[in-house]
Amino acid sequence: AQSVTQLDSQVPVFEEAPVELRCNYSSSVSVYLFWYVQYPNQGLQLLLKYLSGSTLVKGINGFEAEFNKSQTSFHLRKPSVHISDTAEYFCAVSNTGTASKLTFGTGTRLQVTL
Amino acid sequence: NAGVTQTPKFQVLKTGQSMTLQCAQDMNHEYMSWYRQDPGMGLRLIHYSVGAGITDQGEVPNGYNVSRSTTEDFPLRLLSAAPSQTSVYFCASSSLPEVLRNQPQHFGDGTRLSIL
Repeated sequence: AQSVTQLDSQVPVFEEAPVELRCNYSSSVSVYLFWYVQYPNQGLQLLLKYLSGSTLVKGINGFEAEFNKSQTSFHLRKPSVHISDTAEYFCAVSNTGTASKLTFGTGTRLQVTL
Repeated sequence: NAGVTQTPKFQVLKTGQSMTLQCAQDMNHEYMSWYRQDPGMGLRLIHYSVGAGITDQGEVPNGYNVSRSTTEDFPLRLLSAAPSQTSVYFCASSSLPEVLRNQPQHFGDGTRLSIL
């Protein structure tokens, strides 16, 4: 079985400041890792994914994440946030055999203010 | 391009009532799934289907039924609604090639269900 832990339920940050949203996972097998964003009253949109290869993954809207196998982490970062980045962010994991059976973390609410 | 369409967007039920949440996709995707989203719980898989006539249980299937008579539609039925089923429900779809390439699912905008 696999699990995902998002350590922060809420992250307040000022506009143009950097942000890091933390995600740790556990699994007995190889995994794929995803970050999704959910804007109010909308479904989930993929930000970025790690399947293999380079451990630094760049996604949409200026976000990036780094896969760290030794620390079982996949933290999401953005060097300068915008008001429009205010949303709920979900980390998800799937094992390499069943990529569409995702296990989600509990989410981190990113609140960007002026 | 409508993508994944869920109806209704909002619904209030009384305990014991039954209802069907509709999900339709126009992308000819083989794989469809239902999740529920609860505060502090993330999204949890209820049921999924890899094609017409094929369904299987996810993490939290109790109290829900599904069927897949066509590729386009994957309705979720609550047989006897309970307050514990108050949640936001998301439908998602992927093509099987996308699944094999480990591409993510396409999500609908959700159905917000309250059970009194």
